[in-house]
Amino acid sequence: GAGVSQSPSNKVTEKGKDVELRCDPISGHTALYWYRQSLGQGLEFLIYFQGNSAPDKSGLPSDRFSAERTGGSVSTLTIQRTQQEDSAVYLCASSPRQGLTYEQYFGPGTRLTVT
Amino acid sequence: EDKVVQSPLSLVVHEGDTVTLNCSYEVTNFRSLLWYKQEKKAPTFLFMLTSSGIEKKSGRLSSILDKKELFSILNITATQTGDSAVYLCAVPNSGGSNYKLTFGKGTLLTVNP
Repeated sequence: GAGVSQSPSNKVTEKGKDVELRCDPISGHTALYWYRQSLGQGLEFLIYFQGNSAPDKSGLPSDRFSAERTGGSVSTLTIQRTQQEDSAVYLCASSPRQGLTYEQYFGPGTRLTVT
Repeated sequence: EDKVVQSPLSLVVHEGDTVTLNCSYEVTNFRSLLWYKQEKKAPTFLFMLTSSGIEKKSGRLSSILDKKELFSILNITATQTGDSAVYLCAVPNSGGSNYKLTFGKGTLLTVNP
């Protein structure tokens, strides 16, 4: 079946512009995660959505970052007024239920470059 | 704060060699340790370890956990060029939000023909 998909696969933007990154989770998966992976670093947790519960936004690095999940499916991560330090690969993952972290299925990521 | 340290950061071997990748961790409330393989961008799940001393095995890959010494190793025998990837180790958050994973920086394995 279809896995997690993300778009765009690559995005180059100028400093100060806003960007939107999209994630389509596996159909039926209730949990959705966003991670950021900077060069030479491990994956950094950003935000977690589970069903209709309030999202856990504790990993968002600043108020320029926001995310939403519409209809319990597709999610959009928005970065406003991008900075060069935002350059990274942004990975989305989904899982069929809460609490079983090993069941996170990752998408191919979006490589964001801020010039 | 939970912490995961992987070593070495990178490793270059020849096909057929055996490699051992290391992961040490510090967590307040240990639940499990996870290994992922990351080729290009998307990590794929390899193993979850919860019990000390019990080896998990999948083909040429195996992993074991030592909860007393707070580390895990991932072994790959008879390496192939397709094993070239970044191998990530992670632990779920110690607190109530166990869906949060703390990742190490990974080990970049390059297998040359």
